Amino acid sequence: KAGVTQTPRYLIKTRGQQVTLSCSPISGHRSVSWYQQTPGQGLQFLFEYFSETQRNKGNFPGRFSGRQFSNSRSEMNVSTLELGDSALYLCASSEGLAGANEQYFGPGTRLTVT
Amino acid sequence: AQTVTQSQPEMSVQEAETVTLSCTYDTSENNYYLFWYKQPPSRQMILVIRQEAYKQQNATENRFSVNFQKAAKSFSLKISDSQLGDTAMYFCATDDMRFGAGTRLTVKP
Repeated sequence: KAGVTQTPRYLIKTRGQQVTLSCSPISGHRSVSWYQQTPGQGLQFLFEYFSETQRNKGNFPGRFSGRQFSNSRSEMNVSTLELGDSALYLCASSEGLAGANEQYFGPGTRLTVT
Repeated sequence: AQTVTQSQPEMSVQEAETVTLSCTYDTSENNYYLFWYKQPPSRQMILVIRQEAYKQQNATENRFSVNFQKAAKSFSLKISDSQLGDTAMYFCATDDMRFGAGTRLTVKP
């Protein structure tokens, strides 16, 4: 099976712009979770989608949103970008809900906000 | 706030030796899962090992094993016969998607 893929791999945006990141899970996986990874804050959970419904949400402002499509592909959107949003954004898929199951991570999208 | 603590930011070990990475966590649940993930340099994060809290027996996966102390809320990872390919960041995680800050492990030849 193909692994988790994320596009784009690298992105440079300007403060105030918005950005959409995409994640394609492993075939058959119904859960997609998103994480933000920074040197200062480490890995922080953004949200989890399962069967097109948001199941869990981390402690991030409403500028961060996501959705999941019927084929389990997921997108994450960040509006009104701030310098502090510069990070590696990881998505992970799992067969069932992420809590009890192994998560398979993608390579990440490196977002730089200038 | 509930936390996952990895008290060793960096560790190193000689090839073929054994190393233990520590992790403590906070939870009010009685039944839960714990995970160790490995993130090699410039490579994707992968699961190393998973422990179910209701199981008394410590999980083992080849050279990787855990020492799970439920009462102490401690979940350490032991790597035996360390190999150069074990060089990576290691993250401890709970089933509510909280991750520790990570331990950077370097295996020296």
